[in-house]
Amino acid sequence: SQKIEQNSEALNIQEGKTATLTCNYTNYSPAYLQWYRQDPGRGPVFLLLIRENEKEKRKERLKVTFDTTLKQSLFHITASQPADSATYLCALDMDSGAGSYQLTFGKGTKLSVIP
Amino acid sequence: GAGVSQSPSNKVTEKGKDVELRCDPISGHTALYWYRQSLGQGLEFLIYFQGNSAPDKSGLPSDRFSAERTGGSVSTLTIQRTQQEDSAVYLCASSPRTGNPSSYNSPLHFGNGTRLTVT
Repeated sequence: SQKIEQNSEALNIQEGKTATLTCNYTNYSPAYLQWYRQDPGRGPVFLLLIRENEKEKRKERLKVTFDTTLKQSLFHITASQPADSATYLCALDMDSGAGSYQLTFGKGTKLSVIP
Repeated sequence: GAGVSQSPSNKVTEKGKDVELRCDPISGHTALYWYRQSLGQGLEFLIYFQGNSAPDKSGLPSDRFSAERTGGSVSTLTIQRTQQEDSAVYLCASSPRTGNPSSYNSPLHFGNGTRLTVT
């Protein structure tokens, strides 16, 4: 069966360092992968999308890589700040079980940036 | 601009009662999704509406769950005979995604959810 896994439930990092979050998937070759941020009590907010033919995507202090051979995406936040503390979710289209493909989310990694 | 709006933000109900959760999507978005998020769990897909097409109901956990989307805009998720395991945050999202595969990677815009507590 298809699975999407974020292999760290929580990550603590010192302010100013680079945070690296991992998203792995199995038994699938997605055309793209998305990353979202979720703050407590709020819905997820879209951050970045990367396509299968793109190795890397950047947006300000954010960088996403996509390795279709390893079936893995890495999400980096450089010069991390306490305001970056949140849960980060990766998502990709997967078979919903009825033959249709819906955006499926990992369980997320809770990032805490310590001042 | 206006985002996705969900109401109520919190709902406490007794076991066995029916509840209705409402979602107002972003104007012009043809795709609408419902997800459920339980404590410590990821987002669980429930149902997807795309324009006038038949909805994808493959994620609904039981026949106590149903959803409608009237006039291609507002959606209501109904849970009948609520159970304690239904307690969760119910999230609605809309997207400009259409039936054209080139739009499949359109990001989702989420509301802030309805926190449902069944006592």
